[in-house]
Amino acid sequence: GQQLNQSPQSMFIQEGEDVSMNCTSSSIFNTWLWYKQDPGEGPVLLIALYKAGELTSNGRLTAQFGITRKDSFLNISASIPSDVGIYFCAGQFLTGVLGFIWGAGTKLIIKP
Amino acid sequence: DSGVTQTPKHLITATGQRVTLRCSPRSGDLSVYWYQQSLDQGLQFLIQYYNGEERAKGNILERFSAQQFPDLHSELNLSSLELGDSALYFCASSVGGQLNTEAFFGQGTRLTVV
Repeated sequence: GQQLNQSPQSMFIQEGEDVSMNCTSSSIFNTWLWYKQDPGEGPVLLIALYKAGELTSNGRLTAQFGITRKDSFLNISASIPSDVGIYFCAGQFLTGVLGFIWGAGTKLIIKP
Repeated sequence: DSGVTQTPKHLITATGQRVTLRCSPRSGDLSVYWYQQSLDQGLQFLIQYYNGEERAKGNILERFSAQQFPDLHSELNLSSLELGDSALYFCASSVGGQLNTEAFFGQGTRLTVV
């Protein structure tokens, strides 16, 4: 089946550091979504990307839709404690109606 | 609060049993999606309904079924439960029927099969 690789699997960072995570696929996507999930909660949409090359910001978060249509990255600048959680990417294929394919998530942990 | 309501929040049941999970979408949303999230895993898309009709099907087992009612709430039925079915089950809703529209998630139902 289709695969979507999200990395890193987890990140241990100091408060104030910048964070970068990405998702790659062997297939072309026409939509990328980035979600954050807090413990015990459902995922919350952070950023949606619909065009190759698109760069979109949401506060300290910035995400880009790769020009090859096979990847996307999410950056968080100047991390704060409430950034802790699991970040998921989700991509949808150009064809077919299988819904979104989800990455396995990047767990962000802030070192005390 | 996303506006998507899922009940129950927790469910513990035995193997072989059948359960029903319920989802009320955001007001005005016509699409409902069901996802399964196993421990420390990403989300697996199960099925989508749009305005009462099945729109897309993902990796949903034959033991599982869903429906969307005229008032747009949806139910996910899980039968002949196995230990491996223990997971968080999320419902999401969106305005449109296209799968690239932004979906809003409920808080999930945690199912434990013992």
